[in-house]
Amino acid sequence: DTAVSQTPKYLVTQMGNDKSIKCEQNLGHDTMYWYKQDSKKFLKIMFSYNNKELIINETVPNRFSPKSPDKAHLNLHINSLELGDSAVYFCASSRTGDPNTGELFFGEGSRLTVL
Amino acid sequence: GQNIDQPTEMTATEGAIVQINCTYQTSGFNGLFWYQQHAGEAPTFLSYNVLDGLEEKGRFSSFLSRSKGYSYLLLKELQMKDSASYLCAALDSNYQLIWGAGTKLIIKP
Repeated sequence: DTAVSQTPKYLVTQMGNDKSIKCEQNLGHDTMYWYKQDSKKFLKIMFSYNNKELIINETVPNRFSPKSPDKAHLNLHINSLELGDSAVYFCASSRTGDPNTGELFFGEGSRLTVL
Repeated sequence: GQNIDQPTEMTATEGAIVQINCTYQTSGFNGLFWYQQHAGEAPTFLSYNVLDGLEEKGRFSSFLSRSKGYSYLLLKELQMKDSASYLCAALDSNYQLIWGAGTKLIIKP
């Protein structure tokens, strides 16, 4: 029983293409996230979303757009891919409420390579 | 600005003890996390500290000093499977996680 699942796990594509990564969680969590982990291994928050609000990190180019059809899904769509977009993208979820320990449950990651 | 510092890489011997340090500077503070990440895999939760002191969980312990903005992860009786990156992350006043770059721990026989 996979708690947080994302597809595809590997994605190789040409510059300029548009691609999507899907994420689903079956933990009943209210909050979901997209993180980017680059070659230097920093995990950088891109978006967080709960069933009330989408929080956008303003450093993320607007070529990246999250879409949440319901609170169990948060997909990531990327337009006009660039070489610098190559990274591993992690979806994660967490419980909200009191107390909020902030513990994250991560998906297995989607390794995007832009050629 | 907000910042997390931890060593890039450490090496230790199987069966030994290793301490991975982390210092943080954040806008407000709501706790300090340690995650383990094996190569090519997702990070997994190890510990959460919000009060000063040591939290022990099996072979792993985590310590926090809020006044010093300092934490460490202590790993005892090291096993080869402990070879991984260990990520320190602080929860700021907005409950956003600020991540360090991780410490790559290499275990030698």
